[in-house]
Parts: sequence; structure tokens; C-alpha cells
Amino acid sequence: KAGVTQTPRYLIKTRGQQVTLSCSPISGHRSVSWYQQTPGQGLQFLFEYFSETQRNKGNFPGRFSGRQFSNSRSEMNVSTLELGDSALYLCASSSTLAGGNYEQYFGPGTRLTVT
Amino acid sequence: AQSVAQPEDQVNVAEGNPLTVKCTYSVSGNPYLFWYVQYPNRGLQFLLKYITGDNLVKGSYGFEAEFNKSQTSFHLKKPSALVSDSALYFCAVRPFSGGYNKLIFGAGTRLAVHP
Repeated sequence: KAGVTQTPRYLIKTRGQQVTLSCSPISGHRSVSWYQQTPGQGLQFLFEYFSETQRNKGNFPGRFSGRQFSNSRSEMNVSTLELGDSALYLCASSSTLAGGNYEQYFGPGTRLTVT
Repeated sequence: AQSVAQPEDQVNVAEGNPLTVKCTYSVSGNPYLFWYVQYPNRGLQFLLKYITGDNLVKGSYGFEAEFNKSQTSFHLKKPSALVSDSALYFCAVRPFSGGYNKLIFGAGTRLAVHP
């Protein structure tokens, strides 16, 4: 099976702009989670989507949003970018079948730089 | 508050020697515990997990971890380190109740294996 894919891999944006990141989960996985990784704050949970519904959300401002499509692909959007949004954004997918393995499989990430 | 602590920023070990990367957690209820590894410019790779059962869990690449409920610890171990094991290691916990696929990560421990 193909792994989790994220596009684009690298992105440079200017303060005040908005950005959309994309994630395609492993085939058959219906849960997609997003994480932000920064040197100062480490890995922080943003939100999780399952069956096109957000079912869990981390402690991030409303500028961070996401969605999931019927094919389980997910996008996250950050509006009004700030310098502090510069980070590696990781997407992870997980099987939610009964007796599922519980582990999450991560994509390579999108490196966002805000200037 | 739910949290994961990795008390060592960096662990140095000579190739061929045993290694231990420490992790302690604080969550209510029975946790699901995970170890992930991150190589430069890569996403996180799953190493192993503890859900229930035997306290000693074996995972990928010869790694194992021991769950200790009384000490709320989940230390990662390997009997004989390789230079290629040098990477950033993250311990994570998924709270048993609620939380769905939200993972709480430790700050990470950089493992340096010297020839």
C-alpha cells in the first residue's frame, strides 16, 4: 500500500496570506489527524477528521481549520498567516476498523515558512 | 493534565552498546503508548505500541519497550545500538477514554550512536 502523502512538501508564504495543505491517507484509512511540529512547542495535535466530521480539536486559534472529503483526503487551511505559523505540518492516518491497530501512520510533512 | 515527559534531550551511546531512551507519562485511565522515530526531513515512523497485555513490547528494527504502570514509564530499549539508529525519538500517549486518535507527544530525545 502507498503511504500517507502530503502536498506540497515545501511552501513559502507571506504574513497575512492564507495557505491550504493537502493530505491523502493510506487506502482504507478513514481517520486523518493533523499535527504541527516546531522547535519550541514540539509536536502538537491540531485536529482529527473521521467520515468528513471533525471529532477532536487541539488548542489552536480559529485561523486553523480543516476538512475531509468523501474519499478521506483531507485539507487544512491557515488564514492570516503569522510568523509563528512557520512549522512542519504532519498528517497522519489511522485505521478505525474494529480491532484496529491504533497506530497512526505519518506523511513526510509540509514545511511551511512564513516571511 | 495529560502529559508525556522525555527527561533527556540527547542520549549518546557507542555502537554495539545497549541503549535506553526514557519516557514517563501522566494520563487518567489506562493509556495507549507509542514510540515513533523521526529521521531528518522525514515524517514520523511507527516503532512500537503498548495497548494491553505483556509489559515488554517488541517492535521494529530490534527495538523494545517496557511498560511499567507503577512508575508510569515506557522506556525504549535496544540491546545493541547501530549508527543508523541515530535519530529523534518521540514517546506518545493516546488517552484510553475519549481523545480518539489524538496523540500527546513528549519533547523528543535525540539519540546519537557513535562508531
